[in-house]
Amino acid sequence: RKEVEQDPGPFNVPEGATVAFNCTYSNSASQSFFWYRQDCRKEPKLLMSVYSSGNEDGRFTAQLNRASQYISLLIRDSKLSDSATYLCVVPGPYNTDKLIFGTGTRLQVFP
Amino acid sequence: ETGVTQSPTHLIKTRGQQVTLRCSSQSGHNTVSWYQQALGQGPQFIFQYYREEENGRGNFPPRFSGLQFPNYSSELNVNALELDDSALYLCASSTIPSDTQYFGPGTRLTVL
Repeated sequence: RKEVEQDPGPFNVPEGATVAFNCTYSNSASQSFFWYRQDCRKEPKLLMSVYSSGNEDGRFTAQLNRASQYISLLIRDSKLSDSATYLCVVPGPYNTDKLIFGTGTRLQVFP
Repeated sequence: ETGVTQSPTHLIKTRGQQVTLRCSSQSGHNTVSWYQQALGQGPQFIFQYYREEENGRGNFPPRFSGLQFPNYSSELNVNALELDDSALYLCASSTIPSDTQYFGPGTRLTVL
């Protein structure tokens, strides 16, 4: 299994839709997880940190299932401005200061 | 904005040349990590510097080297450039190695 694996994209959804992205990770000892957002040709920006079973911030909800080594990101009421690539990030197995990124899932929200 | 700056923004080099990329960390941050992001891929960890010492390295050859200065700014040097080195190079700073990392805008390197 890859260290971090994400849903293949792209996801094309209408404004107002609810969309969910999935991510699996291989290191069962990981304690913290992150979702970063990356706009085209820009740097990744931290969207959410997940340390326990989940986290919610407005329209965004991240859920963690340690038994299945699975993280999800749910976006409710999608906006055009949510169009971006969403990167699932897990600390490295031997060096937790090293971040391991998934390849990202591209979201395109259309009017 | 994160306060992390990188220079230059774009760079074009030819195979075999050497390149130096620079990163200024956010105020109060003493840790800098460098990542390479090829087109269509997620960022790949190159190495991290903490208080001027290398603090972990990814699967990159020795021709990728770095430095951190007393003001915690950092350089990434790549020797003997190859076509596959073409990528977006990102640096990220944090208060300590295990803390949240904030990324700079990146340097886009093209190797011809």
